[in-house]
Order: sequence, then structure tokens, then C-alpha cells
Amino acid sequence: AQKVTQAQTEISVVEKEDVTLDCVYETRDTTYYLFWYKQPPSGELVFLIRRNSFDEQNEISGRYSWNFQKSTSSFNFTITASQVVDSAVYFCALRLYNFNKFYFGSGTKLNVKP
Amino acid sequence: GAVVSQHPSWVICKSGTSVKIECRSLDFQATTMFWYRQFPKQSLMLMATSNEGSKATYEQGVEKDKFLINHASLTLSTLTVTSAHPEDSSFYICSARSLKTSASDTQYFGPGTRLTVL
Repeated sequence: AQKVTQAQTEISVVEKEDVTLDCVYETRDTTYYLFWYKQPPSGELVFLIRRNSFDEQNEISGRYSWNFQKSTSSFNFTITASQVVDSAVYFCALRLYNFNKFYFGSGTKLNVKP
Repeated sequence: GAVVSQHPSWVICKSGTSVKIECRSLDFQATTMFWYRQFPKQSLMLMATSNEGSKATYEQGVEKDKFLINHASLTLSTLTVTSAHPEDSSFYICSARSLKTSASDTQYFGPGTRLTVL
């Protein structure tokens, strides 16, 4: 069975602080995708990143960076120099290769205060 | 990028009535669409997979007679909540899987529909 755990229910930081959102996943499959989505108060899911299970290279996109470690089954997301606009709920998700179903974590609500 | 729309974006209805939610892929064809439900402060849970021209596949615990899904074309899937009750109040999100070979494993999410049943 597949499972995604986001242990941090809610995080509050002050603007310009760095923050890391944790994601741990479980699967016995060797081929899968990992995702991060942002859900602002409007509700629409905003795609942030997709990572293939074969690609363990970390990725940086502007203030965002992702650390994928298969050894610990983790796919953590770091926001550098956080901004108020980063306030949202962030979901980590797993999808098996060639299967349609997403397994979403419970989400982490990030509050960035000015 | 690919766009998926939902209509309506929000709806309020009386208990016992039926509500139809549309999910459209605007600039691509999708043989498969998915319906998710998200209760307040909770995660997204897959309800059903909608396949164009065939019956939908429902996840365990989802009543297929209550949540009717129709996927009549490659760009449109509808979810009808029949005899809605207050406990059906939720945020319903659809996603669509692109047919394009280069993005065949990509799903695009709609903006969601907030249903409130009084």
C-alpha cells in the first residue's frame, strides 16, 4: 500500500525566514512520481514539482528547493526567504508509474507573517 | 500549460436536491478524468476515475448511485451529487490526464467547486 505522511500540520514563520516542509512516503514499487502542490485559500491546486523515482538529484527553482532521498523515503521542500504570498497549504503526493491515482499527504499549512 | 476548468466554482443547494458539476479540459483531450473530494482542513481523496465512453471506477466507500459520473466526450466529465445532504458539503476537484505522448503521465487539476448543502 502507498502512503504519504506530512507530520507538520501547521508552521508559522516570519517573513524572510527559511522553512522546510517534510514529506515521507511509503511504497514497495520502484517506479513512481513524487509531487508537491500549493493550495492557496482560493482552493486551486498549484503544481510545484514532479520528481521521478529514478532521479534523486535535488532541484532548485528560485526560492524553492527540493531534497529527494530514497534512502529515507523523504521528499522535503524548502522555501528560502519566505514571503507572505507563500502562505498556503502545501501537499506532497505520490503516484505510481502507469497508474492514475494520487496519494496525497494530509498537507502542511504554512503561515508567513510580515 | 494545459488548463482544466470547473463549473460552477461554488454552489449552494437545499437538502434533497441534485447538483451537477462540470469538468472540462480546455486545450487538450483527456480520456481519463478524476474526481476528488476535500473536506475542510483535510487532504484530497480520490472518489472515482472517469473514462470516456465507459463506466466510472469508484473508490472503495464511494456510493456510485449517489455520485453519478458521466464522461461523454474527451473534454468533459460531469459529477452529479444526487439527493444531496449537508454531509456532502465539500470541495470537489477534478483532474484530467492528457493524451499527449510527451505528457501522457501528466494530470492537470481544475480549480475546484465548493458545494454547500443547506
